[in-house]
Amino acid sequence: EAEVAQSPRYKITEKSQAVAFWCDPISGHATLYWYRQILGQGPELLVQFQDESVVDDSQLPKDRFSAERLKGVDSTLKIQPAELGDSAMYLCASSLSTGFEQYFGPGTRLTVT
Amino acid sequence: GDSVTQMEGPVTLSEEAFLTINCTYTATGYPSLFWYVQYPGEGLQLLLKATKADDKGSNKGFEATYRKETTSFHLEKGSVQVSDSAVYFCALRLYGNQFYFGTGTSLTVIP
Repeated sequence: EAEVAQSPRYKITEKSQAVAFWCDPISGHATLYWYRQILGQGPELLVQFQDESVVDDSQLPKDRFSAERLKGVDSTLKIQPAELGDSAMYLCASSLSTGFEQYFGPGTRLTVT
Repeated sequence: GDSVTQMEGPVTLSEEAFLTINCTYTATGYPSLFWYVQYPGEGLQLLLKATKADDKGSNKGFEATYRKETTSFHLEKGSVQVSDSAVYFCALRLYGNQFYFGTGTSLTVIP
């Protein structure tokens, strides 16, 4: 069964450092999402791509976060510089297109020290 | 604003007990409603969904009915198993695929 892949699974970084996460969606899925899940809370959407275009990044802290999906397939989410409050699980999801079921990856757990 | 409120946990039940996890929502318009499950170390998986009022979603013995009059989508299962131990998230989806998730309810089932 096809799955959304994410790496790394765990990342520890010091504050003010740069960190990047990678996501490979299910093949053929045009829509890709990045969510942040703070411990004890539900996921919150950071950015949504349709193919290579950003369709919603209203909740992305653009002063330090960036996301790209250059060829409309895999995607990278970057934080620079990392802050203590960025410690969370970062989830990637993909769907066939907007409005279809979202499939989630296992997530990357980030700890900023 | 649009939001989901779900029962706080953690919930601990004995095997074969009846499960209810409450979920209520606030939304403009007519959302679709979902329950997702997150097993330890894994991503979220869709458990069931309902797209309009009075629809009942069901899967793996779990059920939830979309109640527009009470703006609720409570999750139920008649007899839980140890393997059901996980975190359960209620969510709503509005137009444009914007999802709003609840804070999650942790369930532990003991033998």
